[in-house]
Amino acid sequence: DTEVTQTPKHLVMGMTNKKSLKCEQHMGHRAMYWYKQKAKKPPELMFVYSYEKLSINESVPSRFSPECPNSSLLNLHLHALQPEDSALYLCASSQDQKTATANTGELFFGEGSRLTVL
Amino acid sequence: DAKTTQPNSMESNEEEPVHLPCNHSTISGTDYIHWYRQLPSQGPEYVIHGLTSNVNNRMASLAIAEDRKSSTLILHRATLRDAAVYYCILRYTLYGQNFVFGPGTRLSVLP
Repeated sequence: DTEVTQTPKHLVMGMTNKKSLKCEQHMGHRAMYWYKQKAKKPPELMFVYSYEKLSINESVPSRFSPECPNSSLLNLHLHALQPEDSALYLCASSQDQKTATANTGELFFGEGSRLTVL
Repeated sequence: DAKTTQPNSMESNEEEPVHLPCNHSTISGTDYIHWYRQLPSQGPEYVIHGLTSNVNNRMASLAIAEDRKSSTLILHRATLRDAAVYYCILRYTLYGQNFVFGPGTRLSVLP
């Protein structure tokens, strides 16, 4: 199973709402990532978790709150977002460097959650 | 972080080879060169990666200049399904987590 599953596929929320995006993988990967992608732009790295601990936060505003409850799940909690936060949010996973098995370091991406903030 | 530059867009005819260039003049000795592509309405997918030697896989070939300041992704026979944005990315070590995408090249394939 080489799949990263993201839910929901589409989300519309108001600026006062609280919602969450979910990401799941069952490949035994220990590194998980959140990216934000605006239309016709490349994905921008937001957060990286390694072994369920936050290892990279690319100066993301606090209205985005990541959570990694276990090695298979990654959440992105959203609160008090702005219309400019409307974008495609992509989750990815990879085997972490601590994994003994040789691998390509490949990132596996989900299809993304398209968020619209009204 | 070392940066990459790529043409904004390229066009190819179906069933012809495509050479997608990438410049990375500030690459360091430990940077791996990765290529990903993003098909319309999908997340990016891995294409190929290399460090110093040329690499081949079932999807493409990667030619790396001797000084490593540039590389070229080669699609041997373009198909309509290869129309996508192709990203050249430098990754510190094979497992570096600061995986930053550049602007990419939008490839159009004409029938």
